[in-house]
Amino acid sequence: EIVLTQSPATLSLSPGERATLSCRASQSVSNYLAWYQQKPGQAPRLLIYDTSKRATGIPARFSGSGSGTDFTLTISTLEPEDFALYYCQQRTNWITFGQGTRLEIK
Amino acid sequence: QVQLQESGPGLVKPSETLSLTCTVSGGSISSYYWSWIRQPPGKGLEWIGYIYYSGSTNYNPSLKSRVTISVDTSKNQFSVKLSSVTAADTAIYYCARGADLQPLDLWGQGTLVTVSS
Repeated sequence: EIVLTQSPATLSLSPGERATLSCRASQSVSNYLAWYQQKPGQAPRLLIYDTSKRATGIPARFSGSGSGTDFTLTISTLEPEDFALYYCQQRTNWITFGQGTRLEIK
Repeated sequence: QVQLQESGPGLVKPSETLSLTCTVSGGSISSYYWSWIRQPPGKGLEWIGYIYYSGSTNYNPSLKSRVTISVDTSKNQFSVKLSSVTAADTAIYYCARGADLQPLDLWGQGTLVTVSS
């Protein structure tokens, strides 16, 4: 099983700032890394797939990068609606998720 | 647009079988992979397994002995059965489009299943 470790567990920032979330895999996942956003009481929503491709309707302020075992989700300028829980996920070897990063308002 | 909706009992007794169905509306179930994912209250996401519209399946090894996923293309539905449930199976269960060959790009709203006597 490929283990995904996200950091930090909690990120405290203000609207307008830049957010950088990390995801490290226990072994290479090639480029099959996705990012999801989850708000309270809602299902996860696909933001980024295959490391850097934005899903349909996702704003350009969300971007993904990385390769192999180290990946990053960047939110260039935080909007109030971006404060939520974020999960990374790999689909190279079965499907596994990271434990999540909570992005909270500072 | 395509929507997914989970349905099934919200309460299951220990040792019994949990059964849920996902109905796909606004589009065809064909030519896609379909997954089940669960999330214990306040915890992270766990993939349960997936099915292709043709019927081929793949399961999380940790649940494989207890899980069966099936598809009914005539009804545009797919289902999950999880046997011998315990309190540890209490979770929000989501159905989603996608699997290991496709990203999980569309999700149902989720349904809470509680295992309790």
